[in-house]
Amino acid sequence: GESVGLHLPTLSVQEGDNSIINCAYSNSASDYFIWYKQESGKGPQFIIDIRSNMDKRQGQRVTVLLNKTVKHLSLQIAATQPGDSAVYFCAETLGQNFVFGPGTRLSVLP
Amino acid sequence: DAGVTQSPTHLIKTRGQQVTLRCSPKSGHDTVSWYQQALGQGPQFIFQYYEEEERQRGNFPDRFSGHQFPNYSSELNVNALLLGDSALYLCASSLESLNTEAFFGQGTRLTVV
Repeated sequence: GESVGLHLPTLSVQEGDNSIINCAYSNSASDYFIWYKQESGKGPQFIIDIRSNMDKRQGQRVTVLLNKTVKHLSLQIAATQPGDSAVYFCAETLGQNFVFGPGTRLSVLP
Repeated sequence: DAGVTQSPTHLIKTRGQQVTLRCSPKSGHDTVSWYQQALGQGPQFIFQYYEEEERQRGNFPDRFSGHQFPNYSSELNVNALLLGDSALYLCASSLESLNTEAFFGQGTRLTVV
């Protein structure tokens, strides 16, 4: 089975609010994690990454948190915009490839 | 600088046929990975090519094979197509010397009828 999964399949937020997307992973040996955004009809697009020796990393409007104790990864999007509507995947490295979770669909309400 | 390009974008094949999908990696990248994404699911790793060799393989049957050329471009071949092979096939490229993010192409939508 997959070693990466997501708690919520869908998430709806009001425009301007903050979004939090969660992910659980099971392989404690994973040392690199990525969040991807996938819009309809497109390939996954890199958002932000984090290595296992870190617990937080910030980008532009996005923050990734890594809790290795409970094997939990989260993506925080500040001031969510309509353009943020997409499916978000977390992925962990396993050997030379990425293992993806099933994804969370984020819908931004006007 | 072109990103990862895949061809064709859409393809319809009949059960039992064979298909070849193509991928050109991002400029400067030397590693190509292929993923299968069924509708409503996350991408599933098929295999990865580096230095024209298959370096790692996911849980896919031998009907799935690939190739990498000296210019780092790659092909994915699927033989004896099944209805269940219908999916979005994604190619991702990366630089082997840097364990960083992979860049994905737009994918090829394969429909098997």
